[in-house]
Amino acid sequence: GAVVSQHPSRVICKSGTSVKIECRSLDFQATTMFWYRQFPKQSLMLMATSNEGSKATYEQGVEKDKFLINHASLTLSTLTVTSAHPEDSSFYICSALEAGLQETQYFGPGTRLLVL
Amino acid sequence: AQTVTQSQPEMSVQEAETVTLSCTYDTSENNYYLFWYKQPPSRQMILVIRQEAYKQQNATENRFSVNFQKAAKSFSLKISDSQLGDTAMYFCAFRSNTGNQFYFGTGTSLTVIP
Repeated sequence: GAVVSQHPSRVICKSGTSVKIECRSLDFQATTMFWYRQFPKQSLMLMATSNEGSKATYEQGVEKDKFLINHASLTLSTLTVTSAHPEDSSFYICSALEAGLQETQYFGPGTRLLVL
Repeated sequence: AQTVTQSQPEMSVQEAETVTLSCTYDTSENNYYLFWYKQPPSRQMILVIRQEAYKQQNATENRFSVNFQKAAKSFSLKISDSQLGDTAMYFCAFRSNTGNQFYFGTGTSLTVIP
């Protein structure tokens, strides 16, 4: 199946700093990528939909100025958590839809963010 | 909006036995896709099986099969010959044919007991 990578897998940062998470589709082109947040033992919470070459669509309650998303190419989307605070600590997961075959979502391995 | 319901927060099964995880959904659409994803302790989401709503035949992938009842809006997952590696969270998901967004259930935590 299609492979999606995510980097870094784990990051610890100080409060007030910004953190960038990369999501790459390795063997296919992805016109659409999704960013999720997952709390322990809970389901995935969709944060935003990232479309190549256009602005991301954010879900209600997600601050677009805090969670900056850039989808500059068909294989890369980035999520930047700006001015991170301890409450932003979470597990962030990206996923991608293969261009032309958009029925199935392929997930990255996730990034664990801890803000001190 | 579409909703996906998984009514079993936790389940357990003896190794080599069969277990069925339930999932129901609500939609007014006729064409859509349904998925089961597995999330093991590593937290990597893995596609287990998918079903197109227009197909009457139930999807099968080795030990995994689904019972898709379109009229009842039910999409259960059957795991045969359960293995220890099947221990994971299982999420049922719905995708409309007209949009890109996926809707996930709350998950079922499955434990395979040796």
